[in-house]
Amino acid sequence: KAGVTQTPRYLIKTRGQQVTLSCSPISGHRSVSWYQQTPGQGLQFLFEYFSETQRNKGNFPGRFSGRQFSNSRSEMNVSTLELGDSALYLCASSSDKETQYFGPGTRLLVL
Amino acid sequence: GEDVEQSLFLSVREGDSSVINCTYTDSSSTYLYWYKQEPGAGLQLLTYIFSNMDMKQDQRLTVLLNKKDKHLSLRIADTQTGDSAIYFCAETTSGSARQLTFGSGTQLTVLP
Repeated sequence: KAGVTQTPRYLIKTRGQQVTLSCSPISGHRSVSWYQQTPGQGLQFLFEYFSETQRNKGNFPGRFSGRQFSNSRSEMNVSTLELGDSALYLCASSSDKETQYFGPGTRLLVL
Repeated sequence: GEDVEQSLFLSVREGDSSVINCTYTDSSSTYLYWYKQEPGAGLQLLTYIFSNMDMKQDQRLTVLLNKKDKHLSLRIADTQTGDSAIYFCAETTSGSARQLTFGSGTQLTVLP
């Protein structure tokens, strides 16, 4: 089975722009979660989607949003980018409540 | 609130055993995990343990859980240079089954 894929792998944006990141889960996995990784804050949970519905959300401002499609692929969007949004954004997929498998991440740099 | 803590650095000699420690505060933890991250890569799930277990072994990896002290450890036997990476401890709780709360990570350096 192919693993979790994320596109693009690298992205450079400027302050005020918006960005959309994509995640394709492992085939058959219906749950997709997103995490932000920064040197200062570490790994923080953004949100989780299951069957096109957001089931759980972390403590991030409304500029961070997401969605999931009927084929379980997910996108996350960050609007009005700030310098502090520079991070590695990781997506994880799961078929059950025990295990989550992560993709390679999208590294976002905001200038 | 939830909190997971790890020491930041560990150095061992190749061939020795490594023990990475983690403490957590949430008594409603259901599963505890160990993930590995190599430079420029995502997180690789190494192993996990259900909170009602006290030990799990998987090849070179041994996980010990002391639920009373809320202490989790990962032992890597016969540590190799390829084991050099950052190791994250994480938990999920009964209220948020798929929300992982991570520790800050332990940088393991294996010296030849």
